[in-house]
Parts: sequence; structure tokens; C-alpha cells
Amino acid sequence: DAGVTQSPTHLIKTRGQQVTLRCSPISGHKSVSWYQQVLGQGPQFIFQYYEKEERGRGNFPDRFSARQFPNYSSELNVNALLLGDSALYLCASSLFVGVGNSPLHFGNGTRLTVT
Amino acid sequence: EDQVTQSPEALRLQEGESSSLNCSYTVSGLRGLFWYRQDPGKGPEFLFTLYSAGEEKEKERLKATLTKKESFLHITAPKPEDSATYLCAVQAGTGANSKLTFGKGITLSVRP
Repeated sequence: DAGVTQSPTHLIKTRGQQVTLRCSPISGHKSVSWYQQVLGQGPQFIFQYYEKEERGRGNFPDRFSARQFPNYSSELNVNALLLGDSALYLCASSLFVGVGNSPLHFGNGTRLTVT
Repeated sequence: EDQVTQSPEALRLQEGESSSLNCSYTVSGLRGLFWYRQDPGKGPEFLFTLYSAGEEKEKERLKATLTKKESFLHITAPKPEDSATYLCAVQAGTGANSKLTFGKGITLSVRP
């Protein structure tokens, strides 16, 4: 079975540009979450969506936005890129939301470099 | 605010030398504690979920335990392929989401 897939795998952008990252969850999973992982740190929560509705938002500026589509795939958008946005962006899917017995399964991420 | 602290930051072991990784947490209303393994350039791979103090889970050479303030990941007779970063995360509170708060991770190196 296919796991969580993310595209692109790598991306280089210039400060001030905009970027869109894509994620397809594991088949049957209805929840998608986005995390940012800076080198040497643990992942930090950005958003969670369930059944196309936002269920949680982390401490990130409004430049970050996301949405979930009817097929449960998701996009993360970041506007007005800053050098500090350089990181590994991870997408995770789960069957449900809000319960501990539905662990998050992560994709391999998109490595974003802002120059 | 939920906090997760992992120690040590890095650990080097000889093959076969057993050890433990520590995860201390401060949360309001723990719903679950999770252990993940992350290889370089990859996303975190789910290992275990623990829900309540006293619970233990095992998988091959790994055993995770949970108390009211910390969790341990015990590695018995490690092999070089166990080398990776091990992440601990907590899910807490009563919100209608599955937000995880992660520690910084522990980088484990196992020498042959």
C-alpha cells in the first residue's frame, strides 16, 4: 500500500516568492496535518484538516495557509517567503482526528530552500 | 504550554550495548505519547503509542515504557541498522485535533 506522498521532494525559491506544496494521504485516511521541521529540531505543527475543515492551527503567521480537497489530498501555501522558511515540510495523515489510537503517518517531506 | 525534552541529544553505542533514551514531558491532559524513528532525508516512521502510566510496548529490539512524567525507549543489543534519530511526541488537551508536540530528538549511532 502506498504511504503518504508529497511533491515536490525539493524546491528552491527566492525571498518574497510564493510556494505550494502538495500531499496525498494514505488511502482511507481522512485527516491531513502539516509540520515544519528545521534542521536539528523536532517537527512543529502548522495545520490539521479533517473532512475539508480546519481542525487546528499552530503558531505560524498568516503567510501560511492550507486546504483539503474532496479526495482528502491537501495543499500548503506559503506567501512572501523569508529565509527562515527554509525547512523540511512534512505532511502526515491519520484515519481520525482527536483520538490517540489514530497515529499520524508521515510522508518523506518537501525540502524547501529559500535564497 | 506542552513541553517535551529528550535526552541525551546524541548517543553512540557499540553493537550489542544496550541503553535507554529518555523523554520527559509536561502537558495538560495527556492523550497519548508517541515514539517515531527518523532516518536522514526521510519523514518520521511511527513506532509506538502509549496512553497511560505503567504501559509498555515492544517491537523487536525496542521497548517503550511510560510514567506520569517521562517515557523511556529501551534498546536491547542494538545493531548498526538501529542508527537513526528517535523522536518523542505528546498529544494533549481536549481539542478536536491531533496536534503533536515533538521533542528535538535523540541521534543514535551504533558502531559495528
